[in-house]
Amino acid sequence: DAGVIQSPRHEVTEMGQEVTLRCKPISGHNSLFWYRQTMMRGLELLIYFNNNVPIDDSGMPEDRFSAKMPNASFSTLKIQPSEPRDSAVYFCASTAVRSDKNIQYFGAGTRLSVL
Amino acid sequence: SQKIEQNSEALNIQEGKTATLTCNYTNYSPAYLQWYRQDPGRGPVFLLLIRENEKEKRKERLKVTFDTTLKQSLFHITASQPADSATYLCALGTGGGNKLTFGTGTQLKVEL
Repeated sequence: DAGVIQSPRHEVTEMGQEVTLRCKPISGHNSLFWYRQTMMRGLELLIYFNNNVPIDDSGMPEDRFSAKMPNASFSTLKIQPSEPRDSAVYFCASTAVRSDKNIQYFGAGTRLSVL
Repeated sequence: SQKIEQNSEALNIQEGKTATLTCNYTNYSPAYLQWYRQDPGRGPVFLLLIRENEKEKRKERLKVTFDTTLKQSLFHITASQPADSATYLCALGTGGGNKLTFGTGTQLKVEL
C-alpha cells in the first residue's frame, strides 16, 4: 500500500490567494483527519470525517477554512483567503472506524508558506 | 481546561543509555494513550498503544507505562541509538470516536 498521499508537498502563495490541499487516504480506511502543526501549538486537529461525513470540525480556525470528502478516496482542505498566520505544515491521516486501536496513519504533510 | 504536557526542551542522552520521556495530562479521562515518532519533514508514525486498564506495554526496546492516578505516561527507550533521535508525541483517545489529542512532543537526541 502506498500509504496516505498528500499533495502538494510544498506550497508557497501570497496573502489573499486560495489554497487547496489534497489527501488520498489508505484504501479501506473510512476515517480521515486533517491536522495543522506549528512550533507554537504542536499538532492540532482541524476536522475529521467518518465514512465521508464530517464528524467534528471544532478545530477549524474560522470560516476561511473548509474541508470536503466527496468520496472514500479523496479529501480537500481549502483556505480562502489565505493569511500569513496560516503558514504551517498540514497533515492528513486515516484509520479504520471500527479499529479497536485507532492507529492513525499520516501522510508526509504539506508545508504551506503564505507570504 | 484540558491540557497535555510533554517536555518542551530537547532531551540529550548518550548512546546506550535509557531515554525516558514524560506525558502528563489534566482534565482528561483517556480510554487509551498512544506514542508516535516523528522525523523531520515527515508525518508521525505509530509506535505503541496502552489502554487505561494496562500498567505497562513493551515492544522490543520500547516500554510504556500508564498511571491514570498520576495522569501520566512514561515512554522508555532502552539501549538508545543515534537512530532513535526524533520527536516523540503522545496522544490521548477517549474512546468515544476516533479523535486523538496530541501533546506538543519532546525532541530526543542520542549522541555517540
